[in-house]
This record gives sequence, C-alpha cells and structure tokens, in this order.
Amino acid sequence: EVLLVESGGALVKPGGSLTLSCATSGFTFANAWMNWVRQAPGKGLEWVGHIKTKRDGGTIDYAAPLKGRFIISRDDSKNTLYLQMTSLKTEDTAVYYCSVQSNGDDGFYFDFWGQGALVTVSS
Amino acid sequence: QTVVTQEPSFSVSPGGTVTLTCGLTSGSVSTSYYPSWYQQTPGQPPRTLIYKTNRRSSGVPDRFSGSILGNKAALTITGAQADDESDFYCVLYMGSGISLFGGGTKLTVL
Repeated sequence: EVLLVESGGALVKPGGSLTLSCATSGFTFANAWMNWVRQAPGKGLEWVGHIKTKRDGGTIDYAAPLKGRFIISRDDSKNTLYLQMTSLKTEDTAVYYCSVQSNGDDGFYFDFWGQGALVTVSS
Repeated sequence: QTVVTQEPSFSVSPGGTVTLTCGLTSGSVSTSYYPSWYQQTPGQPPRTLIYKTNRRSSGVPDRFSGSILGNKAALTITGAQADDESDFYCVLYMGSGISLFGGGTKLTVL
C-alpha cells in the first residue's frame, strides 16, 4: 500500500520559515517524481512544484509565483520529500499535500496523495 | 499567462448525466496536455479519477469518463449519484515539468 504522510505543519509568523516533510512507503521512492500541491482555505488546488528522480536529472520545477521562496528537495535514502518555505506570507496559509506524479507511458498525473499538512501564516 | 478554465459550478439531477469541461485561456486542449481529473470532498485529499485524457484510475467506476470535446478536455458523469456531490479539478501538463490546475467545479446533485 502506498502511504504518504506529511508533517511539520505549524502556525508561523509572516516572514518566518518552515520545512514540511513527506515520509513515504509502499513504492520505490527513488524512481518517483514527487510533487507538492497546496490548497488555501476555501480555495482550489494549486501546484507548488516537483522534483524529478536523480535518474531523470533531479530537475526541480516551481510554480512561477513561488520561485525563490520555496525549495523542494528529496532524500532517497530516507524515502522522504521536503518543502522548505521562507519569507512566508499570509497568503501561503494552506493545506500542503505531497503527491506522487506518474511520468511514464501513462502520461503526467498525480497518482497518490498524502492527507496534507496545515500551514498557517499569521501574526 | 495561461490559465486553465473550469465551470465554477454545475448542477445535475440524480441519475442524470453531466459533462464538466477544462479549457485554456489561450489555445486548445489536446491529448498532448495529458489531461487528468480529480475529485475532492471537504476535508479530504483529492482522489484521482482520470489520467491521460480518458483512462480511469484504479477503482473508479465506469460512469466516470474522460474525453476531448472540441477544444477542451471533458469529464462526463453518467448516472449521477448523491455522493458525486463534490469538487472536481482538472490538471494539464504544460511541459517542462509544469502542471496547472483548473479552478475547480463544484458539482451539486439535486
């Protein structure tokens, strides 16, 4: 069974930093493109970014508005995905989901999802 | 800036058929965008319904189907049920690692 468990969500002051983790099991993490997707309260889903496998060059892509403040990384030895968030703004308040992205013959889509971690940015 | 468009809301009667669409503010949606569809109920993570335009994810009933209709991707639900009432999102793969979500459609079954 594929499991994705996000952790690290917290209440943070504007301008602060926070790192989320996504611990995974049930699949070969090193072979998976991994994504972060967020959802502000009462709003739709928003793609944050993804990281490809080392085999595929380890490329990291971000949604344009978030580039420079968010950093995605992975530790294949720990089967864990990370999202470092800096200079946080109130509009970054959201539930952050990690997701496995299929990228083979079946195209590009989000195959498995975690339950999400809540990040609240407020003074 | 390209935006993925969806109907903000839609209503369908129980047992009825509804088609939700997914377009682009500039250009047409084709299979090259690998359209995928997700269903979400309040407080839950998204559930993957359709990928690569028309392939159903594991466990998804065949009353959910995907297609390209004209210049948009489409999700059709036949025989709508009460528990289909939820939010539906499409995603288009824009290439170069970038995915874009539509704004979502809130489906009401009544």
